[in-house]
Amino acid sequence: ILNVEQSPQSLHVQEGDSTNFTCSFPSSNFYALHWYRWETAKSPEALFVMTLNGDEKKKGRISATLNTKEGYSYLYIKGSQPEDSATYLCAFGNYGQNFVFGPGTRLSVLP
Amino acid sequence: KAGVTQTPRYLIKTRGQQVTLSCSPISGHRSVSWYQQTPGQGLQFLFEYFSETQRNKGNFPGRFSGRQFSNSRSEMNVSTLELGDSALYLCASSLDRATNEKLFFGSGTQLSVL
Repeated sequence: ILNVEQSPQSLHVQEGDSTNFTCSFPSSNFYALHWYRWETAKSPEALFVMTLNGDEKKKGRISATLNTKEGYSYLYIKGSQPEDSATYLCAFGNYGQNFVFGPGTRLSVLP
Repeated sequence: KAGVTQTPRYLIKTRGQQVTLSCSPISGHRSVSWYQQTPGQGLQFLFEYFSETQRNKGNFPGRFSGRQFSNSRSEMNVSTLELGDSALYLCASSLDRATNEKLFFGSGTQLSVL
């Protein structure tokens, strides 16, 4: 059974703080790593899809890095805003199979 | 372009009943996958359909089944409902079934089993 872990489980930051969280996944049979943002009462929305070791993606104040050899990805948020409050999910995809989602990191940004 | 549509939005059933949930993917998307979300758990994969064929199945009992139609719409059926089946059921569509395609999620169906 594939295991995808995320840490921390939850965190609270002040508006303007920068923060980061971790996704750990199996390093074998890697195909893709996804990050999703899930705001309350909405649907999960894709942030990044990363496929290559060393990939770095950026979307506004949010960026992500990928290390497939050691099996981890970091998501960074620079200058957090209240609208960044959400649960951030990572999903590990191995070739030809389904995704395995992590339990998520719940971020609360306090104004 | 319309997003992924799931119906119904909310559903209340009693133990032993069966239920059918519906998912209409984004136009042109051929892969539809289903997930279960329960409190404290991550999204648990149920199954994936591509071009009317079930390609992958998660670790759920046979009471959970699904199908996909020629227009890519998908249905999920749960028979003999149990209290533990109470959950948010999400479907997601993607262009292809490769796991490097991002998923587009519906709003989900919140199922309560009494």
